[in-house]
Amino acid sequence: EVQLVQSGTEVQKPGESLKISCKGSGYNFPNYWIAWVRQMPGRGLEWMGIIYPGDSDTRYRPSFQGQVTISADKSINTAYLQWRSLRASDTAIYFCARVRYYYDSAGYNRPRYFDRWGQGTLVTVSS
Amino acid sequence: DIVMTQTPLSLSVTPGQPASISCRSSQSLLHSDGKTYLYWYLQKPGQSPQLLIYEVSNRFPGVPDRFSGSGSGTYFTLRISRVEAEDVGIYYCMQSTQPTFDFGQGTKLEMK
Repeated sequence: EVQLVQSGTEVQKPGESLKISCKGSGYNFPNYWIAWVRQMPGRGLEWMGIIYPGDSDTRYRPSFQGQVTISADKSINTAYLQWRSLRASDTAIYFCARVRYYYDSAGYNRPRYFDRWGQGTLVTVSS
Repeated sequence: DIVMTQTPLSLSVTPGQPASISCRSSQSLLHSDGKTYLYWYLQKPGQSPQLLIYEVSNRFPGVPDRFSGSGSGTYFTLRISRVEAEDVGIYYCMQSTQPTFDFGQGTKLEMK
């Protein structure tokens, strides 16, 4: 069974650093993209970025570039989302999701949709 | 980014009655490869989102056949033929034709 298990609830102060995790099981983790999706309180879903654990190819939504770092360790089937200096506006639930992809006519791997999701990690940033 | 606009933003439905949610994109979602990368997700209360429909009209495995999707270009619809209590939650459309993933703002379905 495909599973994505995320790390637990975090309560942090502004300015602190944080790294949350997403561990995959039940499938070939290096060969599937992992996405991170933010859900701010009472708001909708917002894609942040994706990583291909097999070669660490990483892509960010422009509004998140430089604000967070996405990484992965394929040896332990785990992806990460990291902040260097948290702000109150980072308070949200963060979901990881496995990304299904297709190969285009040129043979490039094209991420297309999220088929399995983690349970979410609540991050609260407050002084 | 492509802007995805859903209507209505909330829906109150009597169990057993049909429901319909629309999603309009700011640009055509028809890809040069001939496919349309439009998806529907349901986020039940307190849960992670779950995939219902992929590429406009294909039900994901395990999704009941009362859910159906249709549309083309910039206009798409999710229909529930007979709403059940377990269908409550927030429905999102999402595009990935452009090399980003853009969600609609969500439509909240409640039971009357």
